[in-house]
Amino acid sequence: KNQVEQSPQSLIILEGKNCTLQCNYTVSPFSNLRWYKQDTGRGPVSLTIMTFSENTKSNGRYTATLDADTKQSSLHITASQLSDSASYICVPREDSSYKLIFGSGTRLLVRP
Amino acid sequence: DAGVIQSPRHEVTEMGQEVTLRCKPISGHDYLFWYRQTMMRGLELLIYFNNNVPIDDSGMPEDRFSAKMPNASFSTLKIQPSEPRDSAVYFCASSYSGSNREQFFGPGTRLTVL
Repeated sequence: KNQVEQSPQSLIILEGKNCTLQCNYTVSPFSNLRWYKQDTGRGPVSLTIMTFSENTKSNGRYTATLDADTKQSSLHITASQLSDSASYICVPREDSSYKLIFGSGTRLLVRP
Repeated sequence: DAGVIQSPRHEVTEMGQEVTLRCKPISGHDYLFWYRQTMMRGLELLIYFNNNVPIDDSGMPEDRFSAKMPNASFSTLKIQPSEPRDSAVYFCASSYSGSNREQFFGPGTRLTVL
């Protein structure tokens, strides 16, 4: 059964600090993995997408890594801002499928 | 581009009533998805359509739930009769098969069944 586990469940950091969110998945065959950001009261928005052959991808202060062999991904946020407070959801996709498998997310709170 | 549009944004109803949620996908997208999000279960796929045809409805919880897509620019999710356990945020998303299949989510409908 395809599963996604994210850690930590929640995280509180001070503004300006860095943090790293983790994702382990068992999706197979694997196509790609996205990290979504979901602000309170809004729908998820894609931050990055990584395919099997990609190890690292950056989007501004967000850097995602992928190890397809160990089925692990991480999202690193640099110099956090108050607007980074949100849930971050890891979403691997099975090859040839339009169905997404959502992790339970990490709730990040950035305090001033 | 207006993005995915959902209505209403909030719905409060009493147990036993019929509820209809509406979605307008992004123009040109040929896939439409309905999701439900709760604290306990996170985001769950209910059903998805391709070119207005339902492809997979295995996530629909029970016969009280039904979804239609009469044309490329409109879809509905209906719950009849509604129950308190249906309280959740319902998201509609759309995507284009020719892209990297990114799904674009609407703002969601927060449903409360009393």
